[in-house]
Amino acid sequence: AQSVTQPDIHITVSEGASLELRCNYSYGATPYLFWYVQSPGQGLQLLLKYFSGDTLVQGIKGFEAEFKRSQSSFNLRKPSVHWSDAAEYFCAVGATMNYGGSQGNLIFGKGTKLSVKP
Amino acid sequence: NAGVMQNPRHLVRRRGQEARLRCSPMKGHSHVYWYRQLPEEGLKFMVYLQKENIIDESGMPKERFSAEFPKEGPSILRIQQVVRGDSAAYFCASTQKVAQGDIGFFGQGTRLTVV
Repeated sequence: AQSVTQPDIHITVSEGASLELRCNYSYGATPYLFWYVQSPGQGLQLLLKYFSGDTLVQGIKGFEAEFKRSQSSFNLRKPSVHWSDAAEYFCAVGATMNYGGSQGNLIFGKGTKLSVKP
Repeated sequence: NAGVMQNPRHLVRRRGQEARLRCSPMKGHSHVYWYRQLPEEGLKFMVYLQKENIIDESGMPKERFSAEFPKEGPSILRIQQVVRGDSAAYFCASTQKVAQGDIGFFGQGTRLTVV
């Protein structure tokens, strides 16, 4: 079965420092991969997505992620964190018909909460 | 994203009551997805609907839960005879078409508390 693991429940970084949030997935074929951000009391917003092609994808708000098939990873990075980046970040993989799912059926990790200290 | 509107934002129900959660998709969107987020968990897919059709309900509990997306009006997620375990945040998303499964925005969610 498809699954997504985010090993870090909570990360604290200093403002201006670099950030890397880890995501590992389990999937039998080339996955569709996503990163979402959820600010407190808000819904989720898509940061970036990977479907195929270039393994380094750029997203909004200065984020990027790299798909590494050999490591089954899709880690999210940002070179310099801003205080407004404090939020919860979710990695997700798209289920497909091969697993009885449908497009739009996303499997989410449990999230990584990011705190930013001044 | 203000484009996907959910109401109410907060809903308190006593055990055994019914809960009705509403989702108005973004303008021009005819595909709606419902997800549930339990405390300390990621979102879990519940159901995918197009206008007047349920396409995929593989994530819906078999009993007490139902969803609809009528020709006119919002999509409704209905939970009958709520129990404490139904307390969660319920999120809705919409897309114009189902291309490769990406969903840009989820609504702000309805936080259901069962007392």
